[in-house]
Amino acid sequence: DTGVSQNPRHKITKRGQNVTFRCDPISEHNRLYWYRQTLGQGPEFLTYFQNEAQLEKSRLLSDRFSAERPKGSFSTLEIQRTEQGDSAMYLCASSLEGGAFFGQGTRLTVV
Amino acid sequence: QKEVEQDPGPLSVPEGAIVSLNCTYSNSAFQYFMWYRQYSRKGPELLMYTYSSGNKEDGRFTAQVDKSSKYISLFIRDSQPSDSATYLCATFHAGGTSYGKLTFGQGTILTVHP
Repeated sequence: DTGVSQNPRHKITKRGQNVTFRCDPISEHNRLYWYRQTLGQGPEFLTYFQNEAQLEKSRLLSDRFSAERPKGSFSTLEIQRTEQGDSAMYLCASSLEGGAFFGQGTRLTVV
Repeated sequence: QKEVEQDPGPLSVPEGAIVSLNCTYSNSAFQYFMWYRQYSRKGPELLMYTYSSGNKEDGRFTAQVDKSSKYISLFIRDSQPSDSATYLCATFHAGGTSYGKLTFGQGTILTVHP
């Protein structure tokens, strides 16, 4: 399978815990995106990378969110001190030129 | 005001109908336009990608862009129950410090009933 891969698919965590998600983009795609989606809403931009450089981070994000893309390959998204409001689907996408291709997402539930 | 506006619907049509889905955008830096289909609890699937004003056709799907009015549309001919999903429009920043950023509309929920 050469599509975008996200792990884990589901994560249940207690409030206050830290969580980390991983995204493996399509090989050779230089751009990688993270979005968050809640029920009935379109994907909300979190951050994106061009190779290993993080180009923009949403101003809506608190400092509890951080993302990395070491060596311009896979990426991780970490949420520290999770809150119930962080419960959502976290989507990763990658692109070379043109449209981006999404993974199946990581569904986070904070209890 | 959101940079990309999309009527959330829901939209319900009978099988075989022509479906029209629309978005408006506000930023002239948006130069590329995409339509995605998303089934429940799945990631969005890229349907159409276009740059120029005008029409682009792919099977039963036609994407239309009017840059002068900042209006994009997706038409589905001979709609099928399997087309029932949420349809998302998206734009690609082609200028400035946000080059490469994708911005999405809210999504339109479509149901095609037999």
